[in-house]
Amino acid sequence: GNSVTQMEGPVTLSEEAFLTINCTYTATGYPSLFWYVQYPGEGLQLLLKATKADDKGSNKGFEATYRKETTSFHLEKGSVQVSDSAVYFCALREDSSASKIIFGSGTRLSIRP
Amino acid sequence: DTAVSQTPKYLVTQMGNDKSIKCEQNLGHDTMYWYKQDSKKFLKIMFSYNNKELIINETVPNRFSPKSPDKAHLNLHINSLELGDSAVYFCASSQQGAYEQYFGPGTRLTVT
Repeated sequence: GNSVTQMEGPVTLSEEAFLTINCTYTATGYPSLFWYVQYPGEGLQLLLKATKADDKGSNKGFEATYRKETTSFHLEKGSVQVSDSAVYFCALREDSSASKIIFGSGTRLSIRP
Repeated sequence: DTAVSQTPKYLVTQMGNDKSIKCEQNLGHDTMYWYKQDSKKFLKIMFSYNNKELIINETVPNRFSPKSPDKAHLNLHINSLELGDSAVYFCASSQQGAYEQYFGPGTRLTVT
């Protein structure tokens, strides 16, 4: 079945460091890909999305490119801030009508001042 | 103004009890979901309703019964609670076919 694999955390970086969180997926058909973020004590929020191959999603300085050839959707940010500390989830939505989203296991990111 | 709300936020109860968690959305969406997040943050869908009809029912014990009285509400009732049911339960909503799902703040259930 479809699945999402993302790098295990926790990831700890200093402020202004470059961030990469790896994500790969297994899917039949042409899924849509997402990154969701969960701040402490809150629900998940959509961070960015890409709906077809070679699309780049971007928001709040974060970017991810839908790479069909490597089945990847890595999250990057050039200069992280303390406020980026959260858990990040890579996810895919199957291309059926049921709107089912499959989440990766989450990567906890901590940024040191 | 809260888009997706859940009650209660925290729920502590003993094994064997029956409890309910309520969810309401004021976004006008036609699809609602329940997710379970375990202690390792792994998030898994449990149920989805579209216009009050069950459309996703993952492998969940039949002690869990969702109920959707109308499009804006999706409640989760759990019978005979077990230790393994301890988790954070998230409600979410979306418009059918839309990419983004909007999540509630979660209900932390602790079974002792």
